[in-house]
Amino acid sequence: QVRLVQSGAEVKKPGASVRVSCKTSGYTFANYYVHWVRQGPDQGLVWMGWVNPDSGDTNYPQKFQGRVTMTRDTSINTVYMELTRLTSDDSAVYFCAARLTYWGQGTLVTVSS
Amino acid sequence: DVVMTQSPLSLPVTLGQPASISCRSSQSLLYSDGITYLNWFQQRPGQSPRRLIYQVSNRDPGVPDRFSGSGAGTDFRLEISRVEAEDVAIYYCMQGIQGYTFGQGTKLEI
Repeated sequence: QVRLVQSGAEVKKPGASVRVSCKTSGYTFANYYVHWVRQGPDQGLVWMGWVNPDSGDTNYPQKFQGRVTMTRDTSINTVYMELTRLTSDDSAVYFCAARLTYWGQGTLVTVSS
Repeated sequence: DVVMTQSPLSLPVTLGQPASISCRSSQSLLYSDGITYLNWFQQRPGQSPRRLIYQVSNRDPGVPDRFSGSGAGTDFRLEISRVEAEDVAIYYCMQGIQGYTFGQGTKLEI
């Protein structure tokens, strides 16, 4: 069956960067765009962008442009999301989602001095 | 940016009774290909979101038929015909015509 398994929780200092991985299995990696969505504490869902695993093309909303980079490694069917210049507002659970249908378990990122 | 507005934000319901959530977009979600890009998601406490409905009214595999979506243009609705205990969750609409934007979420409570 389709599975998306994300990397573990991270604690970062303000100004640092974080990279979250999302390992996929159970389907043809190239077939589904992978989206990243985050959720702050007791907050709603915010779309952060997508990566096309086939071409590597990406699409980010203006809110995150210049700070987010989504990449993929086709040899291990894994997608990555890197967010730079972290602030406390970036403390959230980060989800990957293939085709917005199959979701990872979420990765908690805490930004604290 | 396309703004999505849900109402109500909190919805007390009785088991076995129907429930309805409204979602409005700041612009039409009908694309030039004839498809309306409106999805509904469910997020149970402590879980990842799950897509229930895509393109306004199409249920994803495994979604009970008590869930239905309707609407057109800028006005959409998610309906649950008879609420069950497992339906306690936050429900989000999401547009996909210009990037992707979620509504604020509606908390369904028994």
